[in-house]
Amino acid sequence: EAQVTQNPRYLITVTGKKLTVTCSQNMNHEYMSWYRQDPGLGLRQIYYSMNVEVTDKGDVPEGYKVSRKEKRNFPLILESPSPNQTSLYFCASSLGTGNEQFFGPGTRLTVL
Amino acid sequence: QKEVEQNSGPLSVPEGAIASLNCTYSDRGSQSFFWYRQYSGKSPELIMFIYSNGDKEDGRFTAQLNKASQYVSLLIRDSQPSDSATYLCAVNPSGGSYIPTFGRGTSLIVHP
Repeated sequence: EAQVTQNPRYLITVTGKKLTVTCSQNMNHEYMSWYRQDPGLGLRQIYYSMNVEVTDKGDVPEGYKVSRKEKRNFPLILESPSPNQTSLYFCASSLGTGNEQFFGPGTRLTVL
Repeated sequence: QKEVEQNSGPLSVPEGAIASLNCTYSDRGSQSFFWYRQYSGKSPELIMFIYSNGDKEDGRFTAQLNKASQYVSLLIRDSQPSDSATYLCAVNPSGGSYIPTFGRGTSLIVHP
């Protein structure tokens, strides 16, 4: 089944404790993205990747890192999480820039 | 700042009626336009995409694009309670950037 998976689905952590949210797709898509969704603010892109070892900032990259060592994986790293990073995070992949995006199930992160 | 504007709603329609959802965008060079449906707590899923001026129909859904007016809409015919969700308009920008812009979404309620 074609899908985007994310782990964990739910995470409660404390300020400053490094964490990684994994994302994997099995559709051989070149493009992958991370979004955060907050009430009243909609979906905002954090980082995107156009291919292996090619990443770039989205609209709200501060406080986040990503890597793309393999085509199928695109982890999101929070080196020192803060409470303002409490949000619902989605990973997405697509075949190209003009194509639909397939979203993962979401990761609900709470930073205390 | 490239913007995509949607009325947040909620838009309330009776079962069987036509629901009309609207979206305006600021980037005149935008090339591709998407409508996603998002149920509460779930990930967005594609409903329709449209690239050319005019109408595109798929079952009960019709997307309409007017690039001169920078306006894209989604019509849902014979609305069902299961259509109750938030509908996100997404616009892929011009100029080779891969930072799609999402509107904040319109909440649709279809009441029996």
